Amino acid sequence: DTGVSQDPRHKITKRGQNVTFRCDPISEHNRLYWYRQTLGQGPEFLTYFQNEAQLEKSRLLSDRFSAERPKGSFSTLEIQRTEQGDSAMYLCASSQYPRENYGYTFGSGTRLTVV
Amino acid sequence: AQRVTQPEKLLSVFKGAPVELKCNYSYSGSPELFWYVQYSRQRLQLLLRHISRESIKGFTADLNKGETSFHLKKPFAQEEDSAMYYCALYPLNAGNMLTFGGGTRLMVKP
Repeated sequence: DTGVSQDPRHKITKRGQNVTFRCDPISEHNRLYWYRQTLGQGPEFLTYFQNEAQLEKSRLLSDRFSAERPKGSFSTLEIQRTEQGDSAMYLCASSQYPRENYGYTFGSGTRLTVV
Repeated sequence: AQRVTQPEKLLSVFKGAPVELKCNYSYSGSPELFWYVQYSRQRLQLLLRHISRESIKGFTADLNKGETSFHLKKPFAQEEDSAMYYCALYPLNAGNMLTFGGGTRLMVKP
């Protein structure tokens, strides 16, 4: 297992286009998290899954954002009708609940630039 | 709701000097506190957890519930310690996600 993988590493898109990111967590981890990080800020929580169930969504997650984890393994985050304010690093992390006091394992992130 | 505050955006010290990166939190329940580090061009990685009371790369952090703080300390900074450091809180009783502070950039000068 090579840890948490995210694809693509970088994405440049025109405003108004749709984009989709993928995250492959550590295989034995049942929880998967999406965070967003903008320049000079810490990661901000977006949403998380336990197995295939999406258990919580942040107010940051507008209706243009949708996330899935269909088989409880990999997850996708889609942004529709992208706006310049969506430009950020999108981080994925996974953990094994209930042993989350061991912390999360993060991926390298997908950097989105909306032009 | 929980909140994590790192009051310093940038901390610059000379090699060999002591380092203290401040972290304050607000949370009404029992928290787990963590420090994460991000070296240049690398992913965010766990540095240490308060519950394990360990020292990693010479860093230690003590949870002070009275002052609601979890400051990260190292007696003698090394150039390779230069990185972004994030304090994070995991609420044991509700809202099952890590909340991060804004981060502090540590620069260790030769």
